[in-house]
Amino acid sequence: DAGVIQSPRHEVTEMGQEVTLRCKPISGHNSLFWYRQTMMRGLELLIYFNNNVPIDDSGMPEDRFSAKMPNASFSTLKIQPSEPRDSAVYFCASSPVRSGTDTQYFGPGTRLTVL
Amino acid sequence: TQLLEQSPQFLSIQEGENLTVYCNSSSVFSSLQWYRQEPGEGPVLLVTVVTGGEVKKLKRLTFQFGDARKDSSLHITAAQPGDTGLYLCAGGVNNFNKFYFGSGTKLNVKP
Repeated sequence: DAGVIQSPRHEVTEMGQEVTLRCKPISGHNSLFWYRQTMMRGLELLIYFNNNVPIDDSGMPEDRFSAKMPNASFSTLKIQPSEPRDSAVYFCASSPVRSGTDTQYFGPGTRLTVL
Repeated sequence: TQLLEQSPQFLSIQEGENLTVYCNSSSVFSSLQWYRQEPGEGPVLLVTVVTGGEVKKLKRLTFQFGDARKDSSLHITAAQPGDTGLYLCAGGVNNFNKFYFGSGTKLNVKP
């Protein structure tokens, strides 16, 4: 079975440019999470969706960040305009959420570098 | 400020040694998960504990949830080079699987 798929795996862009990260969750999972990982701050939850609806976006750092989940098999995280401090590894994870303690399955991540 | 603090931050040991990693918080969690992350990959779940005082074993790994559900520990017996990685604890706070991750412990097991 395919796991969580993220694209691109690496992205290098210049400050001010728009960046779009993509995620395909595991089929049948109804929760999707976007995380950011840096050395300084560790793994931070940015936003999560349940049944395609954003439930909690309190971790989204600024209005420059936005996330969408138009259907059960696709989500995007957009940064516009990007800044050097946005450089990090961005992970998408999905979960079946049957009991509230279910496994989150993480994708391989997108390493973003903003110059 | 991290909701969950892990210690130690870094640990380098020889193969065969035992070790314990700690995950502490002032907050109460409904569940506690431990993940291992290898370079270039996403975290992979090792275990979930939900009851205060619960102990779970996974081969050479022993996980314990504190009685008050504020802390947890991971003990590895006879560590092997394959145990090398970043160990993350994550505290769950509601039924939608929202988890707060700890700062991580980077373990290196030398052959």
